[in-house]
Amino acid sequence: QQQVKQSPQSLIVQKGGISIINCAYENTAFDYFPWYQQFPGKGPALLIAIRPDVSEKKEGRFTISFNKSAKQFSLHIMDSQPGDSATYFCAASNNNQGGKLIFGQGTELSVKP
Amino acid sequence: DAGVTQSPTHLIKTRGQHVTLRCSPISGHKSVSWYQQVLGQGPQFIFQYYEKEERGRGNFPDRFSARQFPNYSSELNVNALLLGDSALYLCASSFRGRAEVKNIQYFGAGTRLSVL
Repeated sequence: QQQVKQSPQSLIVQKGGISIINCAYENTAFDYFPWYQQFPGKGPALLIAIRPDVSEKKEGRFTISFNKSAKQFSLHIMDSQPGDSATYFCAASNNNQGGKLIFGQGTELSVKP
Repeated sequence: DAGVTQSPTHLIKTRGQHVTLRCSPISGHKSVSWYQQVLGQGPQFIFQYYEKEERGRGNFPDRFSARQFPNYSSELNVNALLLGDSALYLCASSFRGRAEVKNIQYFGAGTRLSVL
């Protein structure tokens, strides 16, 4: 029940294309869903986050789509750029468990010029 | 402002040894969490401390322990090291001890531990 499943494991997209990464969860008590971006040798950095009472959130080229009934959420990166090449992690948390984040397995994104 | 700082950057130990990893949170942040990231996987939660009290513990053996000091910095200790403890150890800080949209968790660059 604590798992967050992420797909695909790796993704190759052409420059200017749309990158889509999907996550699914089981625990309906989760109430916070962030996406993190990690470059080699660096720690994860927050990209965008959403609460379950919102179906979509957009910040620049990054959009989270959230489907509460399906227990799924996804990250869309519009106009993907080579600089977006990194590993992306979805995560989930239950506020009653403090700051504990449950991470997905990660998606390695490569944007080809 | 400095971000979350972790030391050392890299560490090589042998099986059975003990290790101490250190974390300084962003100034003003009162919560520190520790995660283990094995190569090719997502970070796994180890501990959370808020206002110097343990607020959460992940599914890790008692060989793992941590504490938070009055200045909100933190140490992660691992005893009797095993080969499987080789990983990147990440520290994250936030102002409050809650995971929510208005309380971002900021991660440090981590300590790369290799156990030989």
